[in-house]
Amino acid sequence: DIVMTQSPDSLAVSLGERATINCKSSQSVLYSSNNLNYLTWYQQKPGQPPKLLIYWASTRESGVPDRFSGSGSGTDFTLTISSLQAEDVAVYYCQQYYNLPYTFGQGTKLEIK
Amino acid sequence: EVQLLESGGGLVQPGGSLRLSCAASGFTLSSYAMSWVRQAPGKGLEWVSAISGSGDTTYYADSVKGRFTFSRDNSKDTLFLQMNSLSADDTAVYYCAKDAAAGATGYFDLWGQGTLVTVSS
Repeated sequence: DIVMTQSPDSLAVSLGERATINCKSSQSVLYSSNNLNYLTWYQQKPGQPPKLLIYWASTRESGVPDRFSGSGSGTDFTLTISSLQAEDVAVYYCQQYYNLPYTFGQGTKLEIK
Repeated sequence: EVQLLESGGGLVQPGGSLRLSCAASGFTLSSYAMSWVRQAPGKGLEWVSAISGSGDTTYYADSVKGRFTFSRDNSKDTLFLQMNSLSADDTAVYYCAKDAAAGATGYFDLWGQGTLVTVSS
């Protein structure tokens, strides 16, 4: 199984500042035949199901604010929130869909400083 | 409205069984692979099982293989997760999730609100 490890486990950032969450996979999730990284990011607020933010490592889902961006390739990925808003307080998960079983990172809890 | 609605959760004794349902609306269910993802209280997300659009192929996490069965009735726009030999480790909110693109992708653009399964004596 591919192990996904996020860092940090929790993060406190001031409103308007940048937030950066990292995700590392135990093996590459880059599929060479199409040059796509099989990596996605979700946001989960308390009492709610996860919400898709980013797929193919860097493609923003429709309706997701452009302050959210994804980057990285192979085994190392980053979710960046360029200017933190109060409504961004949540737990963020990365997930690989390169192969089964699909696996998630342990989550990163983002709070306001 | 595009949505998924899970039902069937509840309290069950260790060793017992439960059948979850997920009703889909607002899209053509048969065009999409679907998954169940669970979340133990206060914990992270764990993929449990997936099923192809036609229902002829299923996949399971090792933790549930041989105990859970994922099926679908596309004519009724409904998915089912039959859970047998339940243990405390299966206690979680179970989410039904839709693959983001027709065929199968492995990432999910629509999630239900979840149904809580509690395994306890």
